Amino acid sequence: QVQLQQWGAGLLKPSETLSLTCAVYGGSFSGYYWSWIRQPPGKGLEWIGEINHSGSTNYNPSLKSRVTISVDTSKNQFSLKLSSVTAADTAVYYCAREDSGSYPYYYYYMDVWGKGTTVTVSS
Amino acid sequence: SSELTQDPAVSVALGQTVRITCQGDSLRSYYASWYQQKPGQAPVLVISGKNNRPSGIPDRFSGSSSGNTASLTITGAQAEDEADYYCNSRDSSGNHLVVFGGGTKLTVL
Repeated sequence: QVQLQQWGAGLLKPSETLSLTCAVYGGSFSGYYWSWIRQPPGKGLEWIGEINHSGSTNYNPSLKSRVTISVDTSKNQFSLKLSSVTAADTAVYYCAREDSGSYPYYYYYMDVWGKGTTVTVSS
Repeated sequence: SSELTQDPAVSVALGQTVRITCQGDSLRSYYASWYQQKPGQAPVLVISGKNNRPSGIPDRFSGSSSGNTASLTITGAQAEDEADYYCNSRDSSGNHLVVFGGGTKLTVL
């Protein structure tokens, strides 16, 4: 049973860099994309970006200038850095595994999620 | 296009059937996936692909798709189905982006 365990600083000041890590236990790290998603208080889900085991990344254009997602395959971990945070970055941050299928045509789904990390940005 | 549109709120009487919809151009190219989220919890996948339910998801949950609209149907809604539901898919522009709908709050009356 694949599990994702995530951790990182929960309280940041404006202009600091958010840093979170997600570890994958109980399953293969290769063959999937690994995503970060966030949810501001009372709002919906927002995809931040993703990475695969080879280090290939895709980012949400609205956050791309501030986001870096990296991978450490030796530890089965991937990490998120978001620079120059403001109060608008206050949210619960989730890591998730993305799998895909192709019958009868392509589909993508996030079948394993971390429990979430609450990040608050406040001076 | 990178937008998926959902109705903000839907209600259903206990035991009745409810359909939650998701619209977007990308759904002409990809199936939607559906997630259930209860307060204070991480989202849970309930439907992927044409109509695939992960292990442990009751068979009252089903998915369908037509044109640019995907639907999640709950047949015989239960009190525990009250939750937020999100659809998602890949963007169809070729930029390899992931998109989520804005979510639908389901109330079971």
